[in-house]
Amino acid sequence: EAGVAQSPRYKIIEKRQSVAFWCNPISGHATLYWYQQILGQGPKLLIQFQNNGVVDDSQLPKDRFSAERLKGVDSTLKIQPAKLEDSAVYLCASSFTAQETQYFGPGTRLLVL
Amino acid sequence: GIQVEQSPPDLILQEGANSTLRCNFSDSVNNLQWFHQNPWGQLINLFYIPSGTKQNGRLSATTVATERYSLLYISSSQTTDSGVYFCAVTGGYNKLIFGAGTRLAVHP
Repeated sequence: EAGVAQSPRYKIIEKRQSVAFWCNPISGHATLYWYQQILGQGPKLLIQFQNNGVVDDSQLPKDRFSAERLKGVDSTLKIQPAKLEDSAVYLCASSFTAQETQYFGPGTRLLVL
Repeated sequence: GIQVEQSPPDLILQEGANSTLRCNFSDSVNNLQWFHQNPWGQLINLFYIPSGTKQNGRLSATTVATERYSLLYISSSQTTDSGVYFCAVTGGYNKLIFGAGTRLAVHP
């Protein structure tokens, strides 16, 4: 069974530029999550989708971050414009249902200069 | 919100040694997971353990939900066990709340 796929794996941009990350969850998983992991900390949930609807986006900085999950499968996370403090690893996870184990992708490492 | 505290924050072991990692949480939770983040950043599920004890090879975990803590045991540690161990609890709607992690370095 293929795992959660993410791309790109690394991205370096300058502040005020835009960036987008892509996630393909495990086949059949209805729930998809985006986490931000700042160096030295545990991951923090940004947004949770159930199929193509948003369940929780309470910690998403909506003035600059946006996410969508068209057709309830793949998802994209966008930052526009980026700030220095957005430098982090962005992790995507999926689970079969919202009550089951979450499986994580390899992450996208973002460096904002 | 729920607070998750892990101890110790850092741990250095000689290969072959045993260790115990602790996770305390501040409120009742629906579930608890232990993860290992390898040096390349990949988060790997170790245990899904709301209560009781589970074992998988050299690793085992115990959660005492009524006392709000969980323990992860690593026996006969190997260099490949190095990385960061996270405890994460689920509150409402499977929202995972992570602790700050225990950074483990196993030396040959």
